[in-house]
Amino acid sequence: ETGVTQTPRHLVMGMTNKKSLKCEQHLGHNAMYWYKQSAKKPLELMFVYNFKEQTENNSVPSRFSPECPNSSHLFLHLHTLQPEDSALYLCASSQAPGTSFEQYFGPGTRLTVT
Amino acid sequence: AQTVTQSQPEMSVQEAETVTLSCTYDTSESDYYLFWYKQPPSRQMILVIRQEAYKQQNATENRFSVNFQKAAKSFSLKISDSQLGDAAMYFCAYRKMNRDDKIIFGKGTRLHILP
Repeated sequence: ETGVTQTPRHLVMGMTNKKSLKCEQHLGHNAMYWYKQSAKKPLELMFVYNFKEQTENNSVPSRFSPECPNSSHLFLHLHTLQPEDSALYLCASSQAPGTSFEQYFGPGTRLTVT
Repeated sequence: AQTVTQSQPEMSVQEAETVTLSCTYDTSESDYYLFWYKQPPSRQMILVIRQEAYKQQNATENRFSVNFQKAAKSFSLKISDSQLGDAAMYFCAYRKMNRDDKIIFGKGTRLHILP
């Protein structure tokens, strides 16, 4: 596979469940990102990882827990979510942070919290 | 704080015609990047075009071009010879020109192409 892949593509979970979103990039990039896309709101940056180290946490609630075991994989662990957390979660990667290199996005995971 | 505003939630254009999507932004920085991203119904967002603020020449990529007005803080996207495959959400975005990884996105404009 090429590019940025995300699994699952759709997820429905109850507020007491624990689930994880997975992102994998096959581009040899060093930086990976999690974004939240809600209807009628701008895309919100959640987390940034550079060479596996978290460099940005944009005031995200602790019920979202990221994990980056290596430069190619990024996870978002979810627990005790709220209905307002329902959104499209996008993963992205770039060659290097803080440069003009574009970010490459995955197709997203559509999350519904019931 | 930097903000990006897209005042047109939806637009429609006839196939083969030209359409312009507007974007304004607010920043106190002098050097920065501006982007237009496209998100088709399949949801994979892709970069359409990029502009460095220090460049006076407007960026162009095939049928896509921008009108960058730095003093007015305006960054519009022009799509010429619109095609059905251009139907998508278009996001205007801004980033400072340093190691800051934060890209600020607008709310998006949904573009419909009428056959």
